[in-house]
Amino acid sequence: DAGVIQSPRHEVTEMGQEVTLRCKPISGHNSLFWYRQTMMRGLELLIYFNNNVPIDDSGMPEDRFSAKMPNASFSTLKIQPSEPRDSAVYFCASSLIIGLAILGAYEQYFGPGTRLTVT
Amino acid sequence: SQQGEEDPQALSIQEGENATMNCSYKTSINNLQWYRQNSGRGLVHLILIRSNEREKHSGRLRVTLDTSKKSSSLLITASRAADTASYFCATDGNAGNNRKLIWGLGTSLAVNP
Repeated sequence: DAGVIQSPRHEVTEMGQEVTLRCKPISGHNSLFWYRQTMMRGLELLIYFNNNVPIDDSGMPEDRFSAKMPNASFSTLKIQPSEPRDSAVYFCASSLIIGLAILGAYEQYFGPGTRLTVT
Repeated sequence: SQQGEEDPQALSIQEGENATMNCSYKTSINNLQWYRQNSGRGLVHLILIRSNEREKHSGRLRVTLDTSKKSSSLLITASRAADTASYFCATDGNAGNNRKLIWGLGTSLAVNP
């Protein structure tokens, strides 16, 4: 299995530009998570999908951020317009969550991350 | 918001020594997980311990959970230079159908050869 695939691995852009991050989860997984990691705030959950449906987007910073999951094998996180404070490493993770009885008892598989620098 | 708080924030030891990291959390949980992150890489799952378990082992890893104190510890025995990484605890939100994990800020471990 190739694991979670993210692209690009590095992105440098100017303030005001649109940024699109891409993620391909592990085949067969039904849940996908977008995280942002910075030194100051640690690992923050932005949004997560279950069966392609957004379940919790309370971590999305503001309207400049949007995420989609058009099918089980692809998701995007878009920032428009980007700002310097968006600079961070963005991780995508996927998981197979089965049923309601096993609350939270699943492991997440992380991609290598996208290092975003907004100048 | 981050529920888990790991301590220490940073730990430096010599190869062969044991490393102990702690995690405290605020609300009740169903389970707690530990992950490792090597520099520049994604997080990798190490071990999961359920709320009705007190101790769990996996190779050189030993995890304990004290739900009365809302804390967990991760012990790495006979550490190796390759164990150098950041270690994070994560708890389930225990919030109905919401399956998101709540993450700590991590402990940075340096194992010196």
